Amino acid sequence: QKEVEQDPGPLSVPEGAIVSLNCTYSNSAFQYFMWYRQYSRKGPELLMYTYSSGNKEDGRFTAQVDKSSKYISLFIRDSQPSDSATYLCAMSAEASGTYKYIFGTGTRLKVLA
Amino acid sequence: NAGVTQTPKFQVLKTGQSMTLQCAQDMNHEYMSWYRQDPGMGLRLIHYSVGAGITDQGEVPNGYNVSRSTTEDFPLRLLSAAPSQTSVYFCASSFRDSSGYTFGSGTRLTVV
Repeated sequence: QKEVEQDPGPLSVPEGAIVSLNCTYSNSAFQYFMWYRQYSRKGPELLMYTYSSGNKEDGRFTAQVDKSSKYISLFIRDSQPSDSATYLCAMSAEASGTYKYIFGTGTRLKVLA
Repeated sequence: NAGVTQTPKFQVLKTGQSMTLQCAQDMNHEYMSWYRQDPGMGLRLIHYSVGAGITDQGEVPNGYNVSRSTTEDFPLRLLSAAPSQTSVYFCASSFRDSSGYTFGSGTRLTVV
């Protein structure tokens, strides 16, 4: 079993829809949770960064962390064609004095105009 | 523009050749890492550095070397290229090891 599981998609939605992207994880030591957006043939770009449980909102994006269920989500409101990309979740826990990141494999999102 | 710069963007190597992938950042970040990205495997950590003069191995270090002589630069050396090293390589940096990364634009490497 992978430490972080993420549905690869693709997920196709019409423009304006609310998108829900999710990751599950198995390591209860994870403390920091991130979402990255990666356009085709580009490097990942940090979208959201949260510590421990709770919600965080930034414009059309909301990140949720439920540590009791080991489940994190990214919601995109009023989705746009420009949101079409691969979304990677990542989480980190301290190991041997430093923080190690584990990335999900990414969910490919297509927003149709 | 501030950020992480990787060179080259594309490279084709023959099996057994060696090369160095360059990475430089101008944000004065202490923490730098190299990842490879393969279909269905996600991003896997090769090597990382918590500051100049300090490096350590990640999840998939075999066949790669790194050094960190300055805060800005973190080159990745392929010692003897193998087809299994065909991948997209990303360099990333962060202010501290628990903060989010800034990634470079990647190097697409093909080993034939």
